[in-house]
Amino acid sequence: GAVVSQHPSWVICKSGTSVKIECRSLDFQATTMFWYRQFPKQSLMLMATSNEGSKATYEQGVEKDKFLINHASLTLSTLTVTSAHPEDSSFYICSARWGQGAYEQYFGPGTRLTVT
Amino acid sequence: DAKTTQPTSMDCAEGRAANLPCNHSTISGNEYVYWYRQIHSQGPQYIIHGLKNNETNEMASLIITEDRKSSTLILPHATLRDTAVYYCIVKRNFGNEKLTFGTGTRLTIIP
Repeated sequence: GAVVSQHPSWVICKSGTSVKIECRSLDFQATTMFWYRQFPKQSLMLMATSNEGSKATYEQGVEKDKFLINHASLTLSTLTVTSAHPEDSSFYICSARWGQGAYEQYFGPGTRLTVT
Repeated sequence: DAKTTQPTSMDCAEGRAANLPCNHSTISGNEYVYWYRQIHSQGPQYIIHGLKNNETNEMASLIITEDRKSSTLILPHATLRDTAVYYCIVKRNFGNEKLTFGTGTRLTIIP
């Protein structure tokens, strides 16, 4: 299957700072990328959907000014958590899909964010 | 509204077939059944999907009932590495349809 990478795999930051997470599709062009968040012992919750060259569409309850998503190219999307707080500590997972209606969505390995 | 219901947890002996059920009684005609799994602290992994016919690949088999209201994922010879949370998801295959994860089934393979 196709490969999606994330960087960093884990990050610790201080409260009030911003942190950027990168998601790359390594061997295909991702017209759509998705960002999920997963708290301990819970399921994945979709945060936003982004199409290359367009603004991201955020799910209800997700603050777009706090979670900045940029999908500037067909192989790279970034999620920036601005002014991070301890409650933003979570496992952030991206996924990528080629084309619309394509069957498979490929997931990255996730980034564990800890805000102290 | 949960579109699928799955048992919270299941155990299976190593080497035996693991059968994971999923109910999707409100599935519509153009919705596919997808299965993903998530091994601890990793991103989800695609397993298989189907519309109405049974499907098989190198990882698993998917059996969908004739009325499409339920399905079963079969791992034919479970290994310890199959211990994971398994998610059954129904989704249409067009546009920006999203994968919405429920709580899944935590499958534990017992040595």
